[in-house]
Amino acid sequence: AIQLTQSPSSLSASVGDRVTITCRANQGINNVLAWYQQKPGKVPKLLIYDASSLESGVPSRFSGSGSGTDFTLTISSLQPEDFAAYYCQHFNGYPHFLTFGGGTKVEIK
Amino acid sequence: EVQLVESGGGLVQPGGSLRLSCAGSGFTFSDYWMTWVRQAPGKGLEWVANIKQDGSEKYFVDSVKGRFTISRDNAKNSLFLHLNSLRAEDTAVYYCARKHPVAARRYYFDYWGQGTLVAVSS
Repeated sequence: AIQLTQSPSSLSASVGDRVTITCRANQGINNVLAWYQQKPGKVPKLLIYDASSLESGVPSRFSGSGSGTDFTLTISSLQPEDFAAYYCQHFNGYPHFLTFGGGTKVEIK
Repeated sequence: EVQLVESGGGLVQPGGSLRLSCAGSGFTFSDYWMTWVRQAPGKGLEWVANIKQDGSEKYFVDSVKGRFTISRDNAKNSLFLHLNSLRAEDTAVYYCARKHPVAARRYYFDYWGQGTLVAVSS
């Protein structure tokens, strides 16, 4: 089964910092990967899909890259509202299942 | 405005059953695959089940196969999750979510409900 491993599991950063989160798959998944942001007590929000496509309405400071097994989510200049947990997610068509990474918590330094 | 509203959560004893509901509005419910995702307290997200637009295809994570069923009523814009033989490890907030309208071979979530808490404890 495809597994997604995120790193780091948590990080501390300051407003204005460039932040990079990694998601690694245990086998190639082409570009079938999404990134979500979840603030405490809130529902997840789609940021990036197909590894690098920005969801409508999401600020351009968020970007995604990668293909195959290694993917990154980058926040170019961290804003106060970006402190949250971030999850990657993959869909496998056959057999049909979805999997999430374990999450990365971005905290204030 | 797209809205998904879950209901039906609560406290249930191990081995018990529960039915969760999700009411959709603001979009053509019958046009979309729908999903249940859960999140245990303080933990990450876990996919639970998917159902095709007409209900003809249903898929489940291994840990709930044979215990949970998913169904929908397109005439009432409603999605359901039937939880049977509940275990302590099923304790979680259960979210319904809509499949993002991207290509058929991709499956992401563009709208989520606020979730309903299921607590399994004696």
